[in-house]
Amino acid sequence: GQNIDQPTEMTATEGAIVQINCTYQTSGFNGLFWYQQHAGEAPTFLSYNVLDGLEEKGRFSSFLSRSKGYSYLLLKELQMKDSASYLCAVRQGQNFVFGPGTRLSVLP
Amino acid sequence: ETGVTQTPRHLVMGMTNKKSLKCEQHLGHNAMYWYKQSAKKPLELMFVYNFKEQTENNSVPSRFSPECPNSSHLFLHLHTLQPEDSALYLCASRQQDSVQNTEAFFGQGTRLTVV
Repeated sequence: GQNIDQPTEMTATEGAIVQINCTYQTSGFNGLFWYQQHAGEAPTFLSYNVLDGLEEKGRFSSFLSRSKGYSYLLLKELQMKDSASYLCAVRQGQNFVFGPGTRLSVLP
Repeated sequence: ETGVTQTPRHLVMGMTNKKSLKCEQHLGHNAMYWYKQSAKKPLELMFVYNFKEQTENNSVPSRFSPECPNSSHLFLHLHTLQPEDSALYLCASRQQDSVQNTEAFFGQGTRLTVV
């Protein structure tokens, strides 16, 4: 079966660092993707991993361990505009299977 | 602006109505997707088109009927919907490439309310 888990909600303070975890059990794996979605807007691509390790893109980093079925998204120097939902997705062939998303609230 | 445009942005329809959602991508991609996003549920894949051919129908009820006339346009025809079909319908496109691991680009969605 397909199962992707993320925490439902997280809260952090402006300027801090937050780590959003994602665990997955899927029948196929062609990469793990992270998307950001502000309320009422399109999901936008942040980062992806296909090999184990850390990928860094500015304030955002994503980590993958395929043997553990685990990924995290790390957001540094949080800003108020980072308040959004963060979606973890596993690509299987040409399809993307999404997790439930984590709603992050950044407080002043 | 993601390069994927959906219309209308909002739609209210009765259970006996027939309506269509439209998606257009300006990115030259060869794969297009319909997803359903309901409150407190993950994005659910509905249909996938690759080079205008439907390659995935994720057990979607027949009251949803997709159409892909060319690689830039995707429609979702709706008829005799139920209130539980109320959701955000998202279109996405992607360049299907056997070599590169490319991401999907999403439109802003159509917020559908069935009354």
